[in-house]
Amino acid sequence: GESVGLHLPTLSVQEGDNSIINCAYSNSASDYFIWYKQESGKGPQFIIDIRSNMDKRQGQRVTVLLNKTVKHLSLQIAATQPGDSAVYFCAENANSGYSTLTFGKGTMLLVSP
Amino acid sequence: GAVVSQHPSRVICKSGTSVKIECRSLDFQATTMFWYRQFPKQSLMLMATSNEGSKATYEQGVEKDKFLINHASLTLSTLTVTSAHPEDSSFYICSARVVAPEAFFGQGTRLTVV
Repeated sequence: GESVGLHLPTLSVQEGDNSIINCAYSNSASDYFIWYKQESGKGPQFIIDIRSNMDKRQGQRVTVLLNKTVKHLSLQIAATQPGDSAVYFCAENANSGYSTLTFGKGTMLLVSP
Repeated sequence: GAVVSQHPSRVICKSGTSVKIECRSLDFQATTMFWYRQFPKQSLMLMATSNEGSKATYEQGVEKDKFLINHASLTLSTLTVTSAHPEDSSFYICSARVVAPEAFFGQGTRLTVV
C-alpha cells in the first residue's frame, strides 16, 4: 500500500508485483522529464526520460507516462525486484537550454521478497 | 553514460573549520555543473549553478560567502563550506551536463560537522 511519511511517501510492494510511482510536476512550460533512482547514501541514477512531445516511453522493465493536461508523470516498474528498493524522484526541465532541473519530493519504494 | 566523480564521499569536520568537496567529470568536459543539498528523507535542493570561468549563480537563500564555488576547469568544480556549523551537516551532490538537458550525478558527499 501507499503511505505518506513526514517528508517522503512510501510505496510497499511484493516482489514480482508491478509498481506505479506518481509525480505531479509544477511548470506547464517544462518540456523534458527524468526519473531518477537514489539508493541510500548515493547520488541519483538516471532511469528513463521523456520529452513533452511524447506521452509514453518504454525502457527495460520501466515505462514512463506523461499527462500534460494534468501535469502528471508516472513511472511503472514491471516485475519489481528487491534491488528496485530505493527513493525515486521525478525531475523537470523548463526548457531545452542550460536551465536547471527541478526535483519532485520523491517516493520511497520498498520491495518485500 | 558520462561519469561524474565526487570526493570525498564522507567527511567529518569540527565546527568552525572549512571543508572542500570536489566534483570531476571524468570522460567529458562540463561547462556547467550544479551543486545540490539534500537533507534526510527530502528531495534535492539546488544550491548553485557553476559555470566554467565565471562566477557561480546561487539560488535564493543560499549564502555565497559560506558556500564558495569554483569552476576553474572544464572538468572540475569545487564547493567549499566555510566556517562549517552543525546545521551545515547534509548530503551534498554535484551534477554535470554534457548536452542539455541531460545531467549526470556524482556519488554525493556526506558532511558531518561536530
